[in-house]
Amino acid sequence: DAGITQSPRHKVTETGTPVTLRCHQTENHRYMYWYRQDPGHGLRLIHYSYGVKDTDKGEVSDGYSVSRSKTEDFLLTLESATSSQTSVYFCAISRTELRDTEAFFGQGTRLTVV
Amino acid sequence: GENVEQHPSTLSVQEGDSAVIKCTYSDSASNYFPWYKQELGKGPQLIIDIRSNVGEKKDQRIAVTLNKTAKHFSLHITETQPEDSAVYFCAASRNTGNQFYFGTGTSLTVIP
Repeated sequence: DAGITQSPRHKVTETGTPVTLRCHQTENHRYMYWYRQDPGHGLRLIHYSYGVKDTDKGEVSDGYSVSRSKTEDFLLTLESATSSQTSVYFCAISRTELRDTEAFFGQGTRLTVV
Repeated sequence: GENVEQHPSTLSVQEGDSAVIKCTYSDSASNYFPWYKQELGKGPQLIIDIRSNVGEKKDQRIAVTLNKTAKHFSLHITETQPEDSAVYFCAASRNTGNQFYFGTGTSLTVIP
C-alpha cells in the first residue's frame, strides 16, 4: 500500500454538510493526488499537490478544495456535499518526480451523500 | 488535456487463454503508461508500466506494448488464471505536472 492511509474508509453524510477526507503517507513523497472513481468514468483527478501549500486543480475540481500543511497529509474537503459527490475517493502518491514516475494508491474512501 | 480511451469495457476468457486490453491516448507528449489492476473493494495496484523509449515490456505472464506513432498501447495477459479476474485500468502521463489520465477500465473475468 506504499504507506498510504485514507480515513475514514466509509462515510454517509447529508446533503449540504461539509466533509473532509484525509490522506496520510509515511514515505515523505512530494506529489499527492485525490481521484474519484465512478462507474463508466474510471478515475478522474480532483486536485493534486506538488509540495506543502502547493496545490492545483484537476479535471473535476468544482465543489472540492484541498489543503496540504504538512508533507505527510493531504486533505480533501467538500464544502457543501451534494448527491453527485457520492463516489469512491482515492488518494495516490508519486514515488518520484523524475522521469521514472510511478503512482500508488490508497484503499479508498466510500462516500455516500443522502 | 490528455484523453485516454480503453477497450473493451468487459472481457470474459476461459482459463488458460490470453486476454488483450487496448488503450489509445491523444497527447503526443505523454511518455509514461502504467497499467493498474483493481480487485473488489481495494485500491488500484500497479502491475506493469512502459515508457516511451521502449516498445515492449514483459513481466512473467503480463506484457505491455506501445506504438507511439499510432498513440496506442496494449496489455497482454497469457495463460490467464481465475485470480486475474479484476478491473484493469490503463493510464497516461507526462513528466510535467505528473498528472495521470486514466481509461474507463476493463472488467476481466476468467472462467475456470
